[in-house]
Amino acid sequence: DAKTTQPPSMDCAEGRAANLPCNHSTISGNEYVYWYRQIHSQGPQYIIHGLKNNETNEMASLIITEDRKSSTLILPHATLRDTAVYYCIVGTYSGGGADGLTFGKGTHLIIQP
Amino acid sequence: NAGVTQTPKFRILKIGQSMTLQCTQDMNHNYMYWYRQDPGMGLKLIYYSVGAGITDKGEVPNGYNVSRSTTEDFPLRLELAAPSQTSVYFCASSYVGSNNSPLHFGNGTRLTVT
Repeated sequence: DAKTTQPPSMDCAEGRAANLPCNHSTISGNEYVYWYRQIHSQGPQYIIHGLKNNETNEMASLIITEDRKSSTLILPHATLRDTAVYYCIVGTYSGGGADGLTFGKGTHLIIQP
Repeated sequence: NAGVTQTPKFRILKIGQSMTLQCTQDMNHNYMYWYRQDPGMGLKLIYYSVGAGITDKGEVPNGYNVSRSTTEDFPLRLELAAPSQTSVYFCASSYVGSNNSPLHFGNGTRLTVT
C-alpha cells in the first residue's frame, strides 16, 4: 500500500525552479519525509529529508506543511542534469532502518532546454 | 571512499543457472539492503541485514538467498534462475544508530534470464 502520492511526470524549463509535490496524508508522528532521485540507469541518490521543519541543503529545499500531510521538493535553478525520477518516501529511520524504505514509481521530472 | 560497489554490472543467465551478485561497502555501515527494480517500476526490497550474521526477508524474497558474514559484504544468491528474475538489482547501505545516514546505493547489476 502506497504511503505517498506523486504525479507521474512533470516538465520544467531550464533555469527555473522545479517544484515537486508529494501527498502523504497517513504519515505517522515519528516518520520522516525523504526525497531521492534516480538518474537514468543509476542507483537512487539521496537528496534531502525532514521531520517537521523546512530543510535546505546544497541540492534542494524541502517544504513540509504544518499538518505534515504533504510536502514539496524545490530545485531552485533546474538544469538539464536534474532530469530524473524523483521519489518521495516516508519512513521511521533517517535513511533505511530495519526494513528499508518503500520506493514507489516517483515523478519523472523532465527539464526542457 | 568507493561507497557501495556492485559486481557484475551486467549478466545473462539461462533458466535454471545460479549466480551470486556481489555487494561491498567501505563506509562501515551496519545496515545493508538488496532491492530489485523492474522496468518502469519502483524498487522492491528483497532482503536486508542489520549487521554481520543477521539477515531478514523483505517484500519479495522468494528465489533468493543472502548472507552477511562481514560488515562490508552482502552477496545475493540466485539458485535456480527464472525469467521472472530479469531485473535490475540494487544494493544499498546505511548507518542506523546515534547518527543515522541516508541510504547509499550502488549502480546496479542488470540481469537477464532467458
